[in-house]
Amino acid sequence: SSELTQDPAVSVALGQTVRITCQGDSLRSYYASWYQQKPGQAPVLVIYGKNNRPSGIPDRFSGSSSGNTASLTITGAQAEDEADYYCNSRDSSGNHNVFGGGTKLTVL
Amino acid sequence: QVTLKESGPVLVKPTETLTLTCTVSGFSLSNARMGVSWIRQPPGKALEWLAHIFSNDEKSYSTSLKSRLTISKDTSKSQVVLTMTNMDPVDTATYYCARIRRELWFDHFDYWGQGTLVTVSS
Repeated sequence: SSELTQDPAVSVALGQTVRITCQGDSLRSYYASWYQQKPGQAPVLVIYGKNNRPSGIPDRFSGSSSGNTASLTITGAQAEDEADYYCNSRDSSGNHNVFGGGTKLTVL
Repeated sequence: QVTLKESGPVLVKPTETLTLTCTVSGFSLSNARMGVSWIRQPPGKALEWLAHIFSNDEKSYSTSLKSRLTISKDTSKSQVVLTMTNMDPVDTATYYCARIRRELWFDHFDYWGQGTLVTVSS
């Protein structure tokens, strides 16, 4: 399968922990990467590989994977974390990339 | 400092061919395990990966758009070009180029251009 499935919307209270998930057969073979996108801006890489954060990404962002599911966890969500989040991975063939449908995170 | 910048027409007519150029700086298109991808996003919709090209000239295309896409690079000019034929209004989107890094078990897009909005309309 070449599809990655994400919940369309998730909400979290300020300061609480939220997990955003991404499901797909290819995730049994490949790690996901995660991107944060705020309105009118280009996506920004927040997590890649097993659980790597680019320079400048706060350590409240973390990633994990189990079976066909990859997860992005935000521990102590802040107002500025409100955004759309996309997962990406190679497809099962390993030759193409595919994005999930995105999750809109609301911080209450 | 790594930067990518997309350029191309803002308006194309249906059935025309779109040509977009991504000009990169701060890295070389000959760097191993690095390449450039094109990704698009229709207004209000999700990201869609279109194609990539790596330093060894390995290319890959979205299965659903493969027949319409061509990606190429000019390493001396630090440019990657994407052409998409037979444009349709549904192809209206912001088109991004991004640097792709390839490791054994994962890829990631670590730098993105600002994107360019392409509208398809007669």
